[in-house]
Amino acid sequence: DAKTTQPNSMESNEEEPVHLPCNHSTISGTDYIHWYRQLPSQGPEYVIHGLTSNVNNRMASLAIAEDRKSSTLILHRATLRDAAVYYCILGYNQGGKLIFGQGTELSVKP
Amino acid sequence: GAVVSQHPSRVICKSGTSVKIECRSLDFQATTMFWYRQFPKQSLMLMATSNEGSKATYEQGVEKDKFLINHASLTLSTLTVTSAHPEDSSFYICSALRITDTQYFGPGTRLTVL
Repeated sequence: DAKTTQPNSMESNEEEPVHLPCNHSTISGTDYIHWYRQLPSQGPEYVIHGLTSNVNNRMASLAIAEDRKSSTLILHRATLRDAAVYYCILGYNQGGKLIFGQGTELSVKP
Repeated sequence: GAVVSQHPSRVICKSGTSVKIECRSLDFQATTMFWYRQFPKQSLMLMATSNEGSKATYEQGVEKDKFLINHASLTLSTLTVTSAHPEDSSFYICSALRITDTQYFGPGTRLTVL
């Protein structure tokens, strides 16, 4: 299973954009890039996923490097409710199993 | 859409008893569901992949006779922890795969074995 590397923690100020990086240098052509986030004592919440092109939804944007060896999750205006652990995960096609790493713990300061 | 529920949300049992946890996809059909376990301050660990109508596929190191998985319908998978012991105490989370989309996770079940 291809692995991802994320910073252990990041800090952000409320109402400012947040860029969460993820490196996946061993990604294969069929691996999708998935982002989930998790609050304490809750199941992970789906954020966004993509294959090659940048993706936008109401929660976030996903910017994928041209060589696909890295990606960035962008929260356009951080709120206190965005404080969570963010996981970047590679999955085979769209239906493959997801192997979670340690993720990035995002804290948001008022 | 894409709502996954788990029942119960919290369970406390005595050592040696069995506990069943249900995972339901409420608004879509899921031929594949996954079961994870999470210990405090750690990431999720995949335990098994559950396919409707067939035997589950367990990850290395997960005892299939201890963690029984049944996926009898397109909206329900169950995980039974047999002869539970205190070391089985954990947060159990399921996910359901929506076809041509991605996995959606349940809220988790906190198991405490006394």
